[in-house]
Amino acid sequence: DAGVIQSPRHEVTEMGQEVTLRCKPISGHNSLFWYRQTMMRGLELLIYFNNNVPIDDSGMPEDRFSAKMPNASFSTLKIQPSEPRDSAVYFCASSFTGSLNYEQYFGPGTRLTVT
Amino acid sequence: GESVGLHLPTLSVQEGDNSIINCAYSNSASDYFIWYKQESGKGPQFIIDIRSNMDKRQGQRVTVLLNKTVKHLSLQIAATQPGDSAVYFCAENSNYQLIWGAGTKLIIKP
Repeated sequence: DAGVIQSPRHEVTEMGQEVTLRCKPISGHNSLFWYRQTMMRGLELLIYFNNNVPIDDSGMPEDRFSAKMPNASFSTLKIQPSEPRDSAVYFCASSFTGSLNYEQYFGPGTRLTVT
Repeated sequence: GESVGLHLPTLSVQEGDNSIINCAYSNSASDYFIWYKQESGKGPQFIIDIRSNMDKRQGQRVTVLLNKTVKHLSLQIAATQPGDSAVYFCAENSNYQLIWGAGTKLIIKP
């Protein structure tokens, strides 16, 4: 199994530009999570999908952030326009919520730098 | 002014000694708990989990203890090795989501 796949691994962009982060969850998993990790705030849940439907987006910082899951094998997190304070590592994780455990499998992350 | 980063608790342990990492959780109704390890530059990785109907569970070199009375969770690592250097997170379930602790940084002294 390839695990959770994220792209790009690193992204450097200028303030005001649009950024799109991509995630391919583990095949068969029905839940997908986007997290942001910074030194200031640690690991924060941004949004959670179940069966491709957004369930909880209360962690999305503001309207500049949006996430989609058009099908079970792909999700995007978009920031438009980007700001320097968006610099962080963004993780995607997936899980199968039909099981009796709640283990989430994390991707390698995308390190975003906004200058 | 200068921004201040999240201050992670740090545990320094001599190589070969046992490590104990502690975690307090908030919801007495939580029925599932999990420990993750995050090495530098990588995503968090599952270590071990435990359900609330148990108070101890053992894995390979790791043991998780659950004390529901005081809402406390601990991770014990036996014979700590250099490869154990990482940040360790505990988490509790809440409606299929995980509520994460701040993390503890484990440093191995040679």
